[in-house]
Amino acid sequence: DTVLTQSPALAVSLGQRVTISCRASKSVSTYMHWYQQKSGQQPKLLIYSASNLESGVPSRFSGSGSGTDFTLTIDPVEADDIANYYCQQSNELPDTFGAGTKLELK
Amino acid sequence: EVQLVESGGGLVQPGRSLKLSCAASGFTFSDYNMAWVRQAPKKGLEWVATIIYDGSRTYYRDSVKGRFTISRDNAKSTLYLQMDSLRSEDTATYYCATHPFGVLGYWGQGVMVTVSS
Repeated sequence: DTVLTQSPALAVSLGQRVTISCRASKSVSTYMHWYQQKSGQQPKLLIYSASNLESGVPSRFSGSGSGTDFTLTIDPVEADDIANYYCQQSNELPDTFGAGTKLELK
Repeated sequence: EVQLVESGGGLVQPGRSLKLSCAASGFTFSDYNMAWVRQAPKKGLEWVATIIYDGSRTYYRDSVKGRFTISRDNAKSTLYLQMDSLRSEDTATYYCATHPFGVLGYWGQGVMVTVSS
């Protein structure tokens, strides 16, 4: 299975730029997607295929990367962005997720 | 508006069965591959199974192969997950989601399944 590694947590200040990373154990081309999950809610798609912004998602979210290294950037961070963020690869079955990065306020 | 509404969860003893349903509306259900994704309490997300838009093919993670069956009724715009021989490690919130081209675009609100004696 393709293992995705994310930092467990990041502490940020409002208005700051933050980068969340996801590293794959093997190349996934650009079959990498990002989700936001707020407490008690279902996940929400933010970015698909590494860099494509899902319709309705604010433009302060962006994604980049290919192969094994990917990043989700939020610039600037707003209070509503405090959540868990997951990367997911669909290059090969089984689809796998990273363990999630918890975005916290400093 | 796209809506996915799961039902059928609850408390079940190990070794027993449970069937989840996911009622879809607001989009052409028969055009979309669909998936079940689960999340154990305080844990991350885990893909469980996917079914192709016409029901012709299904895919499962290894830990549920032979125990879980994903199916769909396109006439009723409903997705199902039959779960047999349930284990404590199957305890989770189960989400249904659209899954075209590997992207989990729309998600339901989830349904809790607790496997315990």
